[in-house]
Amino acid sequence: AQTVTQSQPEMSVQEAETVTLSCTYDTSESDYYLFWYKQPPSRQMILVIRQEAYKQQNATENRFSVNFQKAAKSFSLKISDSQLGDAAMYFCAYRGRGNTPLVFGKGTRLSVIA
Amino acid sequence: DVKVTQSSRYLVKRTGEKVFLECVQDMDHENMFWYRQDPGLGLRLIYFSYDVKMKEKGDIPEGYSVSREKKERFSLILESASTNQTSMYLCASSSQWEGNTEAFFGQGTRLTVV
Repeated sequence: AQTVTQSQPEMSVQEAETVTLSCTYDTSESDYYLFWYKQPPSRQMILVIRQEAYKQQNATENRFSVNFQKAAKSFSLKISDSQLGDAAMYFCAYRGRGNTPLVFGKGTRLSVIA
Repeated sequence: DVKVTQSSRYLVKRTGEKVFLECVQDMDHENMFWYRQDPGLGLRLIYFSYDVKMKEKGDIPEGYSVSREKKERFSLILESASTNQTSMYLCASSSQWEGNTEAFFGQGTRLTVV
C-alpha cells in the first residue's frame, strides 16, 4: 500500500520569509499524482498545488512551488514571501492511477510569525 | 463554486447512540469519500463510493457503515457510537479520477461522544 510521510509535525516561519515543508511517499507505481492541501483554522481543506508524476517540470502556483524528485520519492512544498494567512495545517497527498482515493500524510502545522 | 456540505459542524452524542453524518455535494460528482481526522494521525479513509448504492471499505471501516441512495448524498453511520469515535469527520467528493482531478472537501463535523 502507498504511504505518505511528513516528517515535520510543526514548522514556523517569519513573515515574508521562505519555508519548505517536506513530504516523501512510497509507491511501486510509475504514474501517479501528488497534491498539497491547506487546512486553515476554518477547517476548510483547500488545494494548494498538484503535480503529475510524468511531468519533470515542477509545478508552481504564485508563491507556492514544489520540488518533485521522482527517484527519491520526494515532494516538498516551498512557500515564498510567507504571509499571516499561510498559517495552517498542510497535508501532502498521493493518488495512484485509476479511480483510487487520496492517501494523506499526517500533516505539518505551519505558524507564521509577524 | 463546487460545494460539499456537511449537515453539522459540531455534534455531541451519547455512547451507544446511532449517529448519522450527512454529506451533500452539488457538482454531480461520481466519487464521494469519508475521512476521519485526528491530531498526529492525519486523514484516514473510512469508506468511499464510486457510484450510487456502491461502497468500498477504506483503511478504518470498523464501527462505521455508509449509505449512498442518491448520487449527491453520502451518509456515514455510526451504528453504536463509542468514545473512541470522538473525532473530526471530513466528507469529500470528486469527479471520476481523470488526470490530476482534485477532491473537494466539506467543512468537517467535529463529533464528540460522551
